[in-house]
Amino acid sequence: AQSVAQPEDQVNVAEGNPLTVKCTYSVSGNPYLFWYVQYPNRGLQFLLKYITGDNLVKGSYGFEAEFNKSQTSFHLKKPSALVSDSALYFCAVRDRDSGYSTLTFGKGTMLLVSP
Amino acid sequence: EAQVTQNPRYLITVTGKKLTVTCSQNMNHEYMSWYRQDPGLGLRQIYYSMNVEVTDKGDVPEGYKVSRKEKRNFPLILESPSPNQTSLYFCASGRGGGQGVTGELFFGEGSRLTVL
Repeated sequence: AQSVAQPEDQVNVAEGNPLTVKCTYSVSGNPYLFWYVQYPNRGLQFLLKYITGDNLVKGSYGFEAEFNKSQTSFHLKKPSALVSDSALYFCAVRDRDSGYSTLTFGKGTMLLVSP
Repeated sequence: EAQVTQNPRYLITVTGKKLTVTCSQNMNHEYMSWYRQDPGLGLRQIYYSMNVEVTDKGDVPEGYKVSRKEKRNFPLILESPSPNQTSLYFCASGRGGGQGVTGELFFGEGSRLTVL
């Protein structure tokens, strides 16, 4: 089975401080990993993905994520948070070696950036 | 403009009254999927389609039907809606035919359904 966990329902950070939103995954084979963001009353928007290669992936709006195979993690990071980054963030995984054809999403982490 | 369009965006209906939520994409994507989003439960997949005439159940298919007669359209049908189907529904599309999703998914703006 493929699964993903986002251990924090909410992350609070002050504007200008670095932020981290955590994600761990479980797959039998090798993963495709994704981060999506959802702003209020909107659909999800793609932020970044890890397919293969460099473990540090850069994405939209200054976000990046680091793939760590030994810890089965794919944490989302940003060096300096903005109030406009406040949104709901979803991690997703697909086990590309075990016959899974679709993504499994985590439950989401609400990021609140205070001025 | 590349987009996934869902209709209606908001709907209030009563138990047992059949309804259809339409979804259309203009990116020639093979893969399409329906999700429901509920507080504390995240995003759960209802049905998905790898290509025309190919559909499969997701994690929560009970009470729903889908069809994929054309590549661009993937309607979600609730034959006899019940209150536990009150939710926010999202349609998504992406590349990746027979071997599965290989890239990013594009999501519609959502359809908020209330079943009384």
